Amino acid sequence: GAVVSQHPSWVICKSGTSVKIECRSLDFQATTMFWYRQFPKQSLMLMATSNEGSKATYEQGVEKDKFLINHASLTLSTLTVTSAHPEDSSFYICSGQSSDSYEQFFGPGTRLTVL
Amino acid sequence: SQQGEEDPQALSIQEGENATMNCSYKTSINNLQWYRQNSGRGLVHLILIRSNEREKHSGRLRVTLDTSKKSSSLLITASRAADTASYFCATDAPGYALNFGKGTSLLVTP
Repeated sequence: GAVVSQHPSWVICKSGTSVKIECRSLDFQATTMFWYRQFPKQSLMLMATSNEGSKATYEQGVEKDKFLINHASLTLSTLTVTSAHPEDSSFYICSGQSSDSYEQFFGPGTRLTVL
Repeated sequence: SQQGEEDPQALSIQEGENATMNCSYKTSINNLQWYRQNSGRGLVHLILIRSNEREKHSGRLRVTLDTSKKSSSLLITASRAADTASYFCATDAPGYALNFGKGTSLLVTP
C-alpha cells in the first residue's frame, strides 16, 4: 500500500509552546488528508479533514484556532498545536487519501507530551 | 461522532486458539474496515468488507457483516503471540473520513 510518514515521531514540549507535526504522502498524491487524535486506551477521533488548497473542515469541539492545519501541497499537510497545554498530550495520527480511491493510508503517528 | 462499538473490550487467549471480536454500528454504511494497532504505533489496515458482502477472508482473518443487525465480526484463527494488539472497526463517515470503534485489546499468550 501507499506510504505516509509523520514527523516527528514523538515530541515533548513545555506548556504554552507551539508544536508542528508534519504528515507526508511519500508515493502518492493525497488530495485529502485527515487528522485524528487518540488518547490513551481510547479510539481514534477525527479532528479535521483537509483538502489540498482549501481550508480544513474541523469536527465539532475541535478549536480551529488552536489546531492549525495547512495542506499546501498534494504530499504535505501540517498540524500545528498552538499554545499547547498538558490536556493536548495525545497521539496524533494523520491519513492520506488520493482522489481516485476512498482508501486511507495512515501515518505512524506522533506522540505529543506537554509538560 | 464515534459509531462503531467493539466487544469485548479486552480478550486474552492462548496461542493456537481463535479470537473473535464483534463490532456494532448505528447508521447505514458503504464499507466497514478492520484495523490493527500495536501499542503506541500506527494503524495497520487488515480488511475491508463492502455493504453488499457478507463474508470475506484474508489469510487467518475472517470477517462477516450483517447489515440487518448492523454488526460485523472479526475472527482470527490459530492466533499467535504476534497478533497481540488492539483491533478497531471503522465505518465510513461523510467526507470519506472514518468513524472508529473503541477497540478490542487482544492478548495472545504463548
